[in-house]
Amino acid sequence: EVQLVESGGGLVEPGGSLRLSCVAAGFTFSDYRMSWVRQAPGKGLEWVSSIISRSTSISYSDSVKGRFTISRDNAKNSLYLQMNSLRAEDTAVYYCARFSGSYPYNWFDPWGQGTLVTVSS
Amino acid sequence: QSVLTQPPSVSGAPGQRVTISCTRSSSNIGAGYDVHWYQQVPGTAPKLLIYGNNNRPSGVPDRFSGSKSDTSASLAITGLQAEDEADYYCQSYDSSLSGWVFGGGTKLTVL
Repeated sequence: EVQLVESGGGLVEPGGSLRLSCVAAGFTFSDYRMSWVRQAPGKGLEWVSSIISRSTSISYSDSVKGRFTISRDNAKNSLYLQMNSLRAEDTAVYYCARFSGSYPYNWFDPWGQGTLVTVSS
Repeated sequence: QSVLTQPPSVSGAPGQRVTISCTRSSSNIGAGYDVHWYQQVPGTAPKLLIYGNNNRPSGVPDRFSGSKSDTSASLAITGLQAEDEADYYCQSYDSSLSGWVFGGGTKLTVL
């Protein structure tokens, strides 16, 4: 069974940092592009960042560019999101998702259960 | 404001048919990029419902179908059931943003 499990969320003060992790199982992790998608409380979905299998192509949304860094360790079947200079508007559930299909016609499937990041003083 | 526009809510009685629209700008659906649909039951992670405009993943009932025209995309649900009550999101790629975009979401209420 394909499974994605996120961790690392929590409460952080504005300007602080947090590192999210996502461990994958049930598929050949190194074969897939991976992504982070977030959802603010009571709001819709927002794509955050994507990384291809060999980390040679990385994309960010304008809202996080320059503050967030996506990375992966294929040997550990793991995806990461380093979040710096956090703002209140970064408060959201962060989902790890596998990217399927051919670029740029990709879709997200499956999704992890999500990890909540709260930015507040 | 989302790049892809969906109605905030739709409703229907059990057994009825409902459609959810997803309208675009010229830099996403109108540029020929595929549209995908997700179902999210409150408190849970989104689940892929339709990919590549009109393809259902294994396990998704054929009551769910997708379509796409030059200007918009639609999700149709026939034989509405209580368990279909959820939020639905469309998703595509936007070349002007160089990234993937979602609609604002549509809340489906089964009356």
